[in-house]
Amino acid sequence: EVQLVESGGGLVQPGGSLRLSCAASGFTLSSCHMNWVRQAPGQGLEWLSYISIRSEAIYYADSVKGRFTISRDNAKNSLYLQMNSLRDEDTAVYYCARDSGLGYAMDLWGQGTTVTVSS
Amino acid sequence: QSALTQPPSASGSPGQSVTISCTGTSSDVGGYNYVSWYQHHPGRVPKLMIYEVNKRPSGVPDRFSGSKSGNTASLTVSGLQAEDEADYYCSSYADKKEFFGTGTKVTVL
Repeated sequence: EVQLVESGGGLVQPGGSLRLSCAASGFTLSSCHMNWVRQAPGQGLEWLSYISIRSEAIYYADSVKGRFTISRDNAKNSLYLQMNSLRDEDTAVYYCARDSGLGYAMDLWGQGTTVTVSS
Repeated sequence: QSALTQPPSASGSPGQSVTISCTGTSSDVGGYNYVSWYQHHPGRVPKLMIYEVNKRPSGVPDRFSGSKSGNTASLTVSGLQAEDEADYYCSSYADKKEFFGTGTKVTVL
């Protein structure tokens, strides 16, 4: 089955760090550009970051630039999001999403992993 | 730049049509033909419905159609069905970033 599975979410204190992982199965992640997107409670979707196939192009939303780092390990078919200096407003469900190669549209999403930032 | 503007809600009876707008700027929606639309049922995974303004991925019913005029994109759902009740989000590429819309809750009356 073609799917993405996120892991690594949990409860963390403000100022803390967390590393999210996204494992791909049923397809070769190394052939795809990838994204991270989040949805805060009661809010809409927010794009966070993009990484190209060979990591030569990496982009971030202003809200996380300097605090979050996207990376990938194509040999492990995995995508990562290192999150530092976490704030209350980073509380959200975090999704990894595959770039379809068609106009930056995201055609495959994981189920999401929940990050709660609270003291 | 910030989130694209969508109406908070839209509704229609079964069989009717509903159109959702997505307003941005010349730096995003108006500047690129890279507008996508996603359907999101609460508790489920977002689903791509439209890409590149008006193209449908395989498996998406032709009841769903997209268009764009200037800085505003639109999604039209024709022949509304109960399963169309969901949140809908537009998104647009904007020079090394991606912006989602504020989201529209579609209710089938």
